[in-house]
Amino acid sequence: SAVISQKPSRDICQRGTSLTIQCQVDSQVTMMFWYRQQPGQSLTLIATANQGSEATYESGFVIDKFPISRPNLTFSTLTVSNMSPEDSSIYLCSVRGGDAYNEQFFGPGTRLTVL
Amino acid sequence: AQKVTQAQTEISVVEKEDVTLDCVYETRDTTYYLFWYKQPPSGELVFLIRRNSFDEQNEISGRYSWNFQKSTSSFNFTITASQVVDSAVYFCALSGVYTGFQKLVFGTGTRLLVSP
Repeated sequence: SAVISQKPSRDICQRGTSLTIQCQVDSQVTMMFWYRQQPGQSLTLIATANQGSEATYESGFVIDKFPISRPNLTFSTLTVSNMSPEDSSIYLCSVRGGDAYNEQFFGPGTRLTVL
Repeated sequence: AQKVTQAQTEISVVEKEDVTLDCVYETRDTTYYLFWYKQPPSGELVFLIRRNSFDEQNEISGRYSWNFQKSTSSFNFTITASQVVDSAVYFCALSGVYTGFQKLVFGTGTRLLVSP
C-alpha cells in the first residue's frame, strides 16, 4: 500500500481567505483523488488529478473554487478558495494502489474549520 | 447510476457481541468493486477489504467477515466478538467499469459504538 501524508493536518481559517492543502505519496502514482467529507457526512469526490493534465472535476465542484495542481507523480495540492463556513470539512487525498483495479488508499486528511 | 445505501445510521453494542453492518448497492455495471473502510475518531480512512463482482466467496479475516450476495446486491460486514477498539464509522463503497474504476461512491456510513 502507498503511504500518504497531508499538510496541514488541521487548520482554522477566516472567511474569505484561501488554504492550500498538500498531499505527498511515497511512490509514483498516475491518479490522485481529492475527497471532501463534510461534518457527519459521507465522502464526496471533488476531482481527479493526473500528472501533466488539468484536473477533472465532479459535478458541483469548479476549478475556481478548488484549484488543483499536480506537478509530478508523487505530489498534489488542493486549494480551497474564498472560504466560507460551509467549506468546513475534512479534505482527503487518495491514490490508487495495488493492482490496476482501483484499490484506493487515503491520506490522514486535513480538518478545516472556517470561521 | 451508482448508489450505496447503509441504512443503519448508528449501532450500539456491548463488547463481545457480534454485529453486522449492512450495505446495499445499485449499479448498472457488470464489473465493479465493493469496499469497506473504517474511520476511527482520528479521522483517517482505513482500508479493510475489496471484493470484485465476479467473486462471491465470503471472506474471513480474524474477527471480520464479509458476505457478498449478488442476488440481493448486498455486501454485509460482520464483526465477531466486538471490542471497544472497533468503535468507528464504517463506510461501504463501490466503483465500476462505467466510470473506469476512477471514482468511489460511498454510502453514508454506519457509526458503531462498542461499550465495555
